[in-house]
Amino acid sequence: SQTIHQWPATLVQPVGSPLSLECTVEGTSNPNLYWYRQAAGRGLQLLFYSVGIGQISSEVPQNLSASRPQDRQFILSSKKLLLSDSGFYLCAWSRQGQTSPLHFGNGTRLTVT
Amino acid sequence: GQQVMQIPQYQHVQEGEDFTTYCNSSTTLSNIQWYKQRPGGHPVFLIQLVKSGEVKKQKRLTFQFGEAKKNSSLHITATQTTDVGTYFCAGNFGNEKLTFGTGTRLTIIP
Repeated sequence: SQTIHQWPATLVQPVGSPLSLECTVEGTSNPNLYWYRQAAGRGLQLLFYSVGIGQISSEVPQNLSASRPQDRQFILSSKKLLLSDSGFYLCAWSRQGQTSPLHFGNGTRLTVT
Repeated sequence: GQQVMQIPQYQHVQEGEDFTTYCNSSTTLSNIQWYKQRPGGHPVFLIQLVKSGEVKKQKRLTFQFGEAKKNSSLHITATQTTDVGTYFCAGNFGNEKLTFGTGTRLTIIP
C-alpha cells in the first residue's frame, strides 16, 4: 500500500530564517506531487506541483520554492521566512492522470514569529 | 483564473438535521472531487464525480454533479457528531492539478 510521510509536524521559526519541509511517498512510482498551504480556518491554496523529477510548476509567486530531487521526494524551501508564511503546509500525491484523487500527508504547522 | 466557489462557509446544525454544501465554477469542469477534513487533521478523499448529472451515494452522503458540469453538491442526511469537519470540493479543469473550494465547516449541536 502507498504511504506519504511529511515532517516535521510542527515548526516555529523566526522571521528571516530558512525553511525546509520534506515529503516522501512510498509504495508507488512516478506520482504527481503537490504542496498546498492552508491558512487558519481557510481553504487550500496550491503552491507547487510536479509531474516528474525536476519538473516543478509554481502557482503562486512568493518567497517559497520547491524541488523534486528524486521520484518520490518533494521539498519545500525558503531562504528567508516572512510572517505571512505561517500556516498549515500539506504535501499530497496522486497517480498520473486528471481523475486521480489526492492523498495528503499529515501536514506541517508552521508558525513564523 | 479558474476558481471554485463554495457555500456556505459555515453551517451549524442540530444533530439529526440535514446538511448541504454547494460548489460552483464559472467554467466547465472535467471532474469534481470531495474531501473531508476533521479538525486538526488533513483532507481525506471522499468521492469523485465525472459524468454530467452524476449522482453517487455513500451511506448518508449524496453527491451530485450538475448537468453542465459547473456545479456540485454534497448532502448529508440526518447528521451525526462524526460528521463534524470541513468539507471541500475540488475541481479539475483538464490538467494535473485540483482547485479547491473555500470549504464549508460543519458543526453539530448535540
